[in-house]
Amino acid sequence: DAGITQSPRHKVTETGTPVTLRCHQTENHRYMYWYRQDPGHGLRLIHYSYGVKDTDKGEVSDGYSVSRSKTEDFLLTLESATSSQTSVYFCAISGRNQPQHFGDGTRLSIL
Amino acid sequence: GDSVTQMEGPVTLSEEAFLTINCTYTATGYPSLFWYVQYPGEGLQLLLKATKADDKGSNKGFEATYRKETTSFHLEKGSVQVSDSAVYFCALSEGLDSSYKLIFGSGTRLLVRP
Repeated sequence: DAGITQSPRHKVTETGTPVTLRCHQTENHRYMYWYRQDPGHGLRLIHYSYGVKDTDKGEVSDGYSVSRSKTEDFLLTLESATSSQTSVYFCAISGRNQPQHFGDGTRLSIL
Repeated sequence: GDSVTQMEGPVTLSEEAFLTINCTYTATGYPSLFWYVQYPGEGLQLLLKATKADDKGSNKGFEATYRKETTSFHLEKGSVQVSDSAVYFCALSEGLDSSYKLIFGSGTRLLVRP
């Protein structure tokens, strides 16, 4: 999968708890992205990064924060999880002017 | 803003049938266009792409032509196989750089019966 690892692959947690998802790449690509996939919506961009400590918001960023302290890791944090954030989360990476390659996803359930 | 519209699924076909999945887009600039495929339990895989008008992307027997005049990028395959059963996503990137953020359609599920 183009050197992308998402962890954990599955997580069940309770409303109000903090959650952090990790995306790790071994390709040394500049760009990293977090998407969520929901029925009827396809994939929607949450946040993306264009370099270490350089991040920007996507279409559905409310309730999410990200951090990228080194090239290989891009963390997505839900500070206080809500049931509406139950989803499948995908990380993607790309080099400049290259198509995005996706990880296998993290299935997150918030009860 | 920019958007992508795909035909509703599921699409159910018999093996060796002809496939068309419609995709149209709205964009203010000159986007790159993509088709991604998602097999059950997996992430998305790039199937094909086109970066400018009249370009044809092709891969594994699938084809799509970037039609600026009709703002379309329909996916076609002449003879589908059971192994093609998956969800197909049309997407565009905002801007000339295809590493830029993607906007996806809602996906079309394809089921191919033996």
